[in-house]
Amino acid sequence: LAKTTQPISMDSYEGQEVNITCSHNNIATNDYITWYQQFPSQGPRFIIQGYKTKVTNEVASLFIPADRKSSTLSLPRVSLSDTAVYYCLVGDKGQAGTALIFGKGTTLSVSS
Amino acid sequence: EAQVTQNPRYLITVTGKKLTVTCSQNMNHEYMSWYRQDPGLGLRQIYYSMNVEVTDKGDVPEGYKVSRKEKRNFPLILESPSPNQTSLYFCASRTIQGNSYGYTFGSGTRLTVV
Repeated sequence: LAKTTQPISMDSYEGQEVNITCSHNNIATNDYITWYQQFPSQGPRFIIQGYKTKVTNEVASLFIPADRKSSTLSLPRVSLSDTAVYYCLVGDKGQAGTALIFGKGTTLSVSS
Repeated sequence: EAQVTQNPRYLITVTGKKLTVTCSQNMNHEYMSWYRQDPGLGLRQIYYSMNVEVTDKGDVPEGYKVSRKEKRNFPLILESPSPNQTSLYFCASRTIQGNSYGYTFGSGTRLTVV
């Protein structure tokens, strides 16, 4: 699996848009980019997944440039409840047996 | 509701006393896995199973056993727990068919071995 690099922490205020960038320079052709959210003492929760360009769902958007060496998770108008750790993972979607390497993630703190 | 259910949520036990943490999913997923999460070390895979009767070691399998006799269940067994197995444990599942996307995680089991 390609290694990923994310900021350790980010701070924001309620109502702001938050963009978390993940670097994955060694991403392979078959790799997808997946983001998870984890609250304290809870299991990670799937947020969004993409391969290239832009993906949007009801929770977030994922921007992936043409070279795919990085990606940006965008959370629109965050609230206090978005305070969590966000993990960026890169891997082949078809390889279910491959271990998910979560790394340390980005701790997002949202204040009022 | 589609979910992965782990039991118990909290467990305190003594060194050497065998225990089992259960994991069950209701999504007919083929793939199931166990992770442990420790401060500063992140989430590490213990064992995984691609389907019934098919299991394999992850990154940190020592001291653990698993079994997959039914598709929905994937128990984690600690034959002789030790204090270094004190951790937060998560079970996860996903399908390996079609355009599946994410893994579903359980709520976690916090284990303390004294």
